[in-house]
Amino acid sequence: GAVVSQHPSWVICKSGTSVKIECRSLDFQATTMFWYRQFPKQSLMLMATSNEGSKATYEQGVEKDKFLINHASLTLSTLTVTSAHPEDSSFYICSAASMAGVEETQYFGPGTRLLVL
Amino acid sequence: ELKVEQNPLFLSMQEGKNYTIYCNYSTTSDRLYWYRQDPGKSLESLFVLLSNGAVKQEGRLMASLDTKARLSTLHITAAVHDLSATYFCAVDTLPGTGNMLTFGGGTRLMVKP
Repeated sequence: GAVVSQHPSWVICKSGTSVKIECRSLDFQATTMFWYRQFPKQSLMLMATSNEGSKATYEQGVEKDKFLINHASLTLSTLTVTSAHPEDSSFYICSAASMAGVEETQYFGPGTRLLVL
Repeated sequence: ELKVEQNPLFLSMQEGKNYTIYCNYSTTSDRLYWYRQDPGKSLESLFVLLSNGAVKQEGRLMASLDTKARLSTLHITAAVHDLSATYFCAVDTLPGTGNMLTFGGGTRLMVKP
């Protein structure tokens, strides 16, 4: 089946620094990737939709200058949390949409846990 | 605004028992997904339901979709401890655009031996 990887899986950083998270579709091409954030014991909240070769579409309330998304190729999207603060600590999950076959579905990466001190 | 509501939020049950988790959504959609999430892990796809009346089964889990009622159910049969996890339903709000998913709040299932 389709595999999506994320790197790193864990990151601890100091307040004010920037953190980049990579999301890769390993065995398929994804024109669309999604970035979610999940706080403890809560559901997933869509942050933005990333399309290859164009600007990301951000959900209401998500600061685009703080959460920079780049979808450089059909297999790679990156999320950069700029000037991270403790309130940005969360579990960030990406997913990639596979258009192959009848059942269009999203495949989720393993997540990146970010802790900002 | 699309709302997706799951209930119950939390469920503790004995092994061997049956139970149903409900997922209601507020707008028209004929694509619904069920996912499982173990603590500290990402989401594992369980079922993709693509039409009214769709029913899928895998092991002790069975999912169904009623698009007219805007309701999906995830039925657990003879629960075992390994099914303990959080289950999310998600509705596809813009089919054909790579899935814009709106997630329910999740149902945390604990199966006790």
